[in-house]
Amino acid sequence: GAVVSQHPSWVICKSGTSVKIECRSLDFQATTMFWYRQFPKQSLMLMATSNEGSKATYEQGVEKDKFLINHASLTLSTLTVTSAHPEDSSFYICSARANQETQYFGPGTRLLVL
Amino acid sequence: GDSVTQMEGPVTLSEEAFLTINCTYTATGYPSLFWYVQYPGEGLQLLLKATKADDKGSNKGFEATYRKETTSFHLEKGSVQVSDSAVYFCALTLSYNTDKLIFGTGTRLQVFP
Repeated sequence: GAVVSQHPSWVICKSGTSVKIECRSLDFQATTMFWYRQFPKQSLMLMATSNEGSKATYEQGVEKDKFLINHASLTLSTLTVTSAHPEDSSFYICSARANQETQYFGPGTRLLVL
Repeated sequence: GDSVTQMEGPVTLSEEAFLTINCTYTATGYPSLFWYVQYPGEGLQLLLKATKADDKGSNKGFEATYRKETTSFHLEKGSVQVSDSAVYFCALTLSYNTDKLIFGTGTRLQVFP
């Protein structure tokens, strides 16, 4: 089946630093990738949708200058949390899709900002 | 707004017990409904789906029926196994935006031998 990986699986950083999270589709080309965030005991919330080679579309309430998304190739998307603060600590999950098929999810990245 | 509500976990069962995980939704129009499963250390996987009222989705012994009258999509399995231990997420997409999955909070299932 289709596999999506994320790196790193967890990261701890100091407040004010930037953190980059990678999402890769390992055995298929992903025309669309999605980034979600999950706070403890809450739902996964869609943050943004990105299509390869174009700008990401952000959901209402998500700061595009804080959460930079790059989808430069059909197998890689990155999420950069800029100037991270403790309130950005969360579980970030990506998914990838080829054309109009099923979304395949990565295992997630846990971010802790001190 | 559009949302999904799931029963809180964890749900703890003995092997071969009957499983029900409740899911209800609020949505405009005619949503499609999904159950995803997340095994430890892995990404969410689509377990089953239903796209219209009275449809029954099924996979790996799990079933869920799209009940428009009660806005529900409860997950059931007749006899659970230890290997079914995972977190289960109910989700929906709206007819006018099939890209956006709206998830419930997830329900952890623990099955003991």
